[in-house]
Amino acid sequence: DAKTTQPPSMDCAEGRAANLPCNHSTISGNEYVYWYRQIHSQGPQYIIHGLKNNETNEMASLIITEDRKSSTLILPHATLRDTAVYYCIVSKARGSTLGRLYFGRGTQLTVWP
Amino acid sequence: GAVVSQHPSWVICKSGTSVKIECRSLDFQATTMFWYRQFPKQSLMLMATSNEGSKATYEQGVEKDKFLINHASLTLSTLTVTSAHPEDSSFYICGGNRDSKETQYFGPGTRLLVL
Repeated sequence: DAKTTQPPSMDCAEGRAANLPCNHSTISGNEYVYWYRQIHSQGPQYIIHGLKNNETNEMASLIITEDRKSSTLILPHATLRDTAVYYCIVSKARGSTLGRLYFGRGTQLTVWP
Repeated sequence: GAVVSQHPSWVICKSGTSVKIECRSLDFQATTMFWYRQFPKQSLMLMATSNEGSKATYEQGVEKDKFLINHASLTLSTLTVTSAHPEDSSFYICGGNRDSKETQYFGPGTRLLVL
């Protein structure tokens, strides 16, 4: 699976948009980009995933560049409860890895009041 | 999203004893379940992958005889830490999905402390 690179930490003011970048320059054509977050001492929470097109759900938006080498997770109106470690993961949906997820160090997002 | 539960949420045991952790998918059938370990201030590390009714596949460096995984049904997987030692103290998290094409959902985790 392709590796990802994320900034170790970011800050955001409450009510503002949080834009979390992720580089995955070695991504292959059949690999999806997944975003999860982990609030302290809890299991990871699924946020969103995509292959080529931009995606939006009730939690966030995912913007994937045309060459698929990077993506940005957008939390449109960050709240204090969005403070967490955000993980960007690239994973094949098929093949030998069978949906395995390999977590990197992620980005610690801190939302300030 | 799908719901995954774990039991117990935390456990303290003496060194040398075995500890069993249960992972249940509550509202979906998990064809595949995954077990992770997370040490303080570190990321999740995948330990093993199990498919219902077959033997688990362990990641490199994970001792299969120490971490016994059973995935006997589509809604239950168990991880048994045999002869636990203080260095096995960690946060253990399970995940499951319906098939490899679908999103993996995670349990709340089990915190193990071995004295």
